[in-house]
Amino acid sequence: NAGVTQTPKFQVLKTGQSMTLQCAQDMNHEYMSWYRQDPGMGLRLIHYSVGAGITDQGEVPNGYNVSRSTTEDFPLRLLSAAPSQTSVYFCATTGPYSETQYFGPGTRLLVL
Amino acid sequence: GQQVMQIPQYQHVQEGEDFTTYCNSSTTLSNIQWYKQRPGGHPVFLIQLVKSGEVKKQKRLTFQFGEAKKNSSLHITATQTTDVGTYFCAITNAGKSTFGDGTTLTVKP
Repeated sequence: NAGVTQTPKFQVLKTGQSMTLQCAQDMNHEYMSWYRQDPGMGLRLIHYSVGAGITDQGEVPNGYNVSRSTTEDFPLRLLSAAPSQTSVYFCATTGPYSETQYFGPGTRLLVL
Repeated sequence: GQQVMQIPQYQHVQEGEDFTTYCNSSTTLSNIQWYKQRPGGHPVFLIQLVKSGEVKKQKRLTFQFGEAKKNSSLHITATQTTDVGTYFCAITNAGKSTFGDGTTLTVKP
């Protein structure tokens, strides 16, 4: 049981490049979320999903796209990377009758 | 949406001293969770509180939920170097969590 996995662990992009951050869970949870964490700050919700085929925006969605074709996977796409998107990105999942968030190990992204 | 304010932002203590972080909301909360994030790591769930006035303990950690369900605290007795990290409170509704900015604890041996 891997829980929540994220790839890659580290990534360096140039301004304007696009990329996809991968997130997968084997907990059979319906809810999945993407957060970003900037130095000295809490976690801010980017996008979330309450089940396959259903996604919605969080607090800071601009510049990011998501899709949820399966229960297990919830990729986050950066359309045109900007230095302001330099951050640590965490994927998390929650069960339907629980408020506990289970986090992946994170992806550290640097945009030059 | 609902927001939570967490104080202090940083706390530096000598090993063996106590530590407390507070989480406050202007609205009544249905639940509150506490997480710990070690340096370089990811947030890890510690506990959830749902009842007015609830107090829960985990070894040296004591968690409280206010009577009005608008505030919560995490108290660590006799800190150890293993307690270093950032402690977050969070409120969750339908799978969406809103996190406080966290309190970063450093412990001097």
